[in-house]
Formats: sequence, structure tokens, C-alpha cells
Amino acid sequence: KAGVTQTPRYLIKTRGQQVTLSCSPISGHRSVSWYQQTPGQGLQFLFEYFSETQRNKGNFPGRFSGRQFSNSRSEMNVSTLELGDSALYLCASSLEAEGTGELFFGEGSRLTVL
Amino acid sequence: GDSVTQMEGPVTLSEEAFLTINCTYTATGYPSLFWYVQYPGEGLQLLLKATKADDKGSNKGFEATYRKETTSFHLEKGSVQVSDSAVYFCALSDRAGGYQKVTFGTGTKLQVIP
Repeated sequence: KAGVTQTPRYLIKTRGQQVTLSCSPISGHRSVSWYQQTPGQGLQFLFEYFSETQRNKGNFPGRFSGRQFSNSRSEMNVSTLELGDSALYLCASSLEAEGTGELFFGEGSRLTVL
Repeated sequence: GDSVTQMEGPVTLSEEAFLTINCTYTATGYPSLFWYVQYPGEGLQLLLKATKADDKGSNKGFEATYRKETTSFHLEKGSVQVSDSAVYFCALSDRAGGYQKVTFGTGTKLQVIP
């Protein structure tokens, strides 16, 4: 079974630009969560989607947004990029029916903002 | 709300030393507990889990016991190897509002030297 796939793996943007990151969950997984990881702040929860609905949201500004499609694939968008948005963005999917909350992570998209 | 507290790193050990990484939690319900590991340049992957009190999770020589009385889930390994160098995250999953919500600790970096 294929794992969680995130694209692109690496990208470089400049301040003020916007970026879209994609995540394809494990087949059959309907919940997708996004995290931002930086050396200073650690692992920060961005949002979680289930069946195309945002179910939970972290404490990030409105520049950070996401969506989920009917096939459970998810995208997150960051507009008006700032230097501080440089981070590893991790996507995780879970099989809601399992009930324990175990997450399966992708390898991440590393964003550098210049 | 739920929270996870784990010991600050980095932790530096010599090969074959005994490892303990402390983790305590606060939760309103009856959470499942997890340890995730992140190797350099990769996403997080599940190391072990325990779903109820007194359960012991184990994998690759690592163990952790779900202690409800002390609200702890300390990670241990009897003899670490250089290949165990990674960042370790303690996490809990609690069912609130009808679905699982995951809370992570800040991560503990382990460096094992030959």
C-alpha cells in the first residue's frame, strides 16, 4: 500500500509570493492533518480535514489555508509569504475507523522563503 | 485541554548506553499514547503505541508503558545504537467532540556517539 505522498519535496519562494502544497493520503484514509515544523517552534498543528470539511484548526494566521477534495487528497496554501514561513510542512493521514488516532506521515515539503 | 510534556533535549549518549526519555500527559478522557520517531530528512513514523492503562508498547528494542496513575509514558531502550539518533516525539490521541484529536510533545533530539 502506498504511503502518504507530499509534493513538492523542496521549493524556494520569495517574500510576498504564495505557495500551494499537496498531500495524497494512504488509500482509504479520510482524515488529513497538516503540521509546520521549525527548529525554533517544533511541531505546530495547522489544520485537519475530514470528508472535505475542516474539523480542527491550529493557531495560525489567515494566510494559511487548506482544503480537501472528494478523493481525500488535500492541499494547503500560504499566501503573502514571510521569511518566518520557512519550514518543513508535514502532512499526515489517519484511518478514522481504527479509532486510536495513529497518524501516518509523509516525508514533508521543505519550503524556503528568501 | 490536552497536553504532552517531554524532556528537553538534546540527549547525547554513548553507544550501548541505556536510554530514558520522559513523557507525561494531561488529558480529559482516556487517551491512546504514542511515540513517533523522525530520522534526519524524513517525516515522522510511529515507533510504538499503547491504547489503555498498563499496556506496554514495544518495537525495535524500545519500550514504553502506559501509566495512568502517574500519567506517564516514558520511552526506554536498554542499549542504544548510532542508528537510533533521531528526534523522538511523544503524543496522545483523545476522542473529543466525536473524533480523535492528536497532541504532540515538543520532541527530544537523541544523539548517539560511537
